[in-house]
Amino acid sequence: NAGVTQTPKFRVLKTGQSMTLLCAQDMNHEYMYWYRQDPGMGLRLIHYSVGEGTTAKGEVPDGYNVSRLKKQNFLLGLESAAPSQTSVYFCATGRDYEQYFGPGTRLTVT
Amino acid sequence: KQEVTQIPAALSVPEGENLVLNCSFTDSAIYNLQWFRQDPGKGLTSLLLIQSSQREQTSGRLNASLDKSSGRSTLYIAASQPGDSATYLCARMDSSYKLIFGSGTRLLVRP
Repeated sequence: NAGVTQTPKFRVLKTGQSMTLLCAQDMNHEYMYWYRQDPGMGLRLIHYSVGEGTTAKGEVPDGYNVSRLKKQNFLLGLESAAPSQTSVYFCATGRDYEQYFGPGTRLTVT
Repeated sequence: KQEVTQIPAALSVPEGENLVLNCSFTDSAIYNLQWFRQDPGKGLTSLLLIQSSQREQTSGRLNASLDKSSGRSTLYIAASQPGDSATYLCARMDSSYKLIFGSGTRLLVRP
């Protein structure tokens, strides 16, 4: 039972490159979330999903896209990376009132 | 805009001291209030979750309280230990199950 896993753990991108972050869960949760955390700050919600095939915008969605084709996976895409997207990205899953977090992906855009 | 504020931003105490971390929020219509621990370079570990109908929760040396009318929550740590050193985040959950986080309190417990 792996819980919530994130791939990759670290990545360095050049400005303008694209990439996809993968979040996988084996907890059979309906809700999945993508957050970013910048130095000295709390987490901010990027996008979320309340079930397979659904997605919605959070607080800071610009520059990101997401897909939830399978219940267990939630993908976060950066189409054209910018230095402002340098951050630590956390995925979370939840059954309603409680969320469980993955270990994070540290992304640097140069 | 819904906001969550944590005071102080950083705290340094000697081992054995009891301490209180504060969290305030602007919208009293919360679903629940959660406290997390984050170690450097790591993910979040859930410590305590207080439902909106509850006033406090306890786990070991930790006690969290919730006062919706004043928009405040506190995390009390008894007999602090160096292993308690970490960043503590509070987050309020709204009725659509989204979390809004504070910026955290960085705690250092000196041996």
